[in-house]
Amino acid sequence: ELKVEQNPLFLSMQEGKNYTIYCNYSTTSDRLYWYRQDPGKSLESLFVLLSNGAVKQEGRLMASLDTKARLSTLHITAAVHDLSATYFCAVEEGGGADGLTFGKGTHLIIQP
Amino acid sequence: NAGVMQNPRHLVRRRGQEARLRCSPMKGHSHVYWYRQLPEEGLKFMVYLQKENIIDESGMPKERFSAEFPKEGPSILRIQQVVRGDSAAYFCASSSYPGTGAYEQYFGPGTRLTVT
Repeated sequence: ELKVEQNPLFLSMQEGKNYTIYCNYSTTSDRLYWYRQDPGKSLESLFVLLSNGAVKQEGRLMASLDTKARLSTLHITAAVHDLSATYFCAVEEGGGADGLTFGKGTHLIIQP
Repeated sequence: NAGVMQNPRHLVRRRGQEARLRCSPMKGHSHVYWYRQLPEEGLKFMVYLQKENIIDESGMPKERFSAEFPKEGPSILRIQQVVRGDSAAYFCASSSYPGTGAYEQYFGPGTRLTVT
């Protein structure tokens, strides 16, 4: 059974600081997703990482994937209040015809 | 191009009633996935459907829950004889053909079910 673990589960940080969220998963996968969810809202796709060594950046967020270590990171640079949300990683097992397995999410609060 | 649509957005049912949740995939998508999100938790996969076929229902509770995706019309997740533990947000996602290139699942706004 595929397991996906995120840490930390809760993070409070100040604006302007950098931090990293980690996502470990237990079985082979070539496809990993990062989503953002605001309270009471749906999931917004941030990144789709498809291969080992993939790195993608959008604004203050950068995601990377190491399939050998079964690890993805979401790095936040110079955080701003608008990035406060819950961030989920999700992994797709197999050849792309399965439901996603989600981590529990990282609840991020960025204080002015 | 409209995104994934779900209705209703909020649904209140009394214990023992039936709940029907609808999902219309994005235009051109023929693959639908249902997920459930309990309070303060991540999403849990329930079922994956293509038109007229259930591909994977490994995440569906064995009783009271069923899903369909008919040839015409939206996908429907049906919960019979609801109990308080069914209160959750139910999200639908759709995709084009999986396993090719950079396909991904696009999520709808969700249906928030409250059982009183």
